[in-house]
Amino acid sequence: GENVEQHPSTLSVQEGDSAVIKCTYSDSASNYFPWYKQELGKGPQLIIDIRSNVGEKKDQRIAVTLNKTAKHFSLHITETQPEDSAVYFCAASISTGNQFYFGTGTSLTVIP
Amino acid sequence: DAGVIQSPRHEVTEMGQEVTLRCKPISGHNSLFWYRQTMMRGLELLIYFNNNVPIDDSGMPEDRFSAKMPNASFSTLKIQPSEPRDSAVYFCASSFPGLRGQPQHFGDGTRLSIL
Repeated sequence: GENVEQHPSTLSVQEGDSAVIKCTYSDSASNYFPWYKQELGKGPQLIIDIRSNVGEKKDQRIAVTLNKTAKHFSLHITETQPEDSAVYFCAASISTGNQFYFGTGTSLTVIP
Repeated sequence: DAGVIQSPRHEVTEMGQEVTLRCKPISGHNSLFWYRQTMMRGLELLIYFNNNVPIDDSGMPEDRFSAKMPNASFSTLKIQPSEPRDSAVYFCASSFPGLRGQPQHFGDGTRLSIL
């Protein structure tokens, strides 16, 4: 089955700096890659996703890049703010099924 | 637009008791997922349904766990008898699957503590 690895497990940045979280996957059939943000006491919330037919997608301060050849994808948050502090999860999915394979999460702390 | 609704939000009970967790998916979504989240294991998929039919229950830890989806708007996850190691946050998620992948939408979970 698919195996998704996520790094780093914890990340601290100063407010205004950028944060980058990286994930790798093993199954070349994976073609959908969502990113989730989980705040304390809440469920994971989708923040951005990318499909395998594009290499990059942006939404304001958040961007995701995908390298299908290397089987890795990354989340980039620019101009970080304290409210960006949360746990972030990447996931991969194969089009023939709708099961997600999640990474182990990155705890991001933005220091004011 | 109501999201995925889970109840109860918190449950504290003694070991050996039956626990029932409930989930109402987003209207129109025909896939439903039950996850368990712990510090040690992260997010684990327990079971998922398509059109009310269980598709993959390989993540259900043991026979003490069972899940049902009697109709498109309701699902339950039952633990009987419960044990302290079942303590975790249980999430339900729903999606409308498509050939190109669709996001899963999560509820806010049930925090379960077994004493």
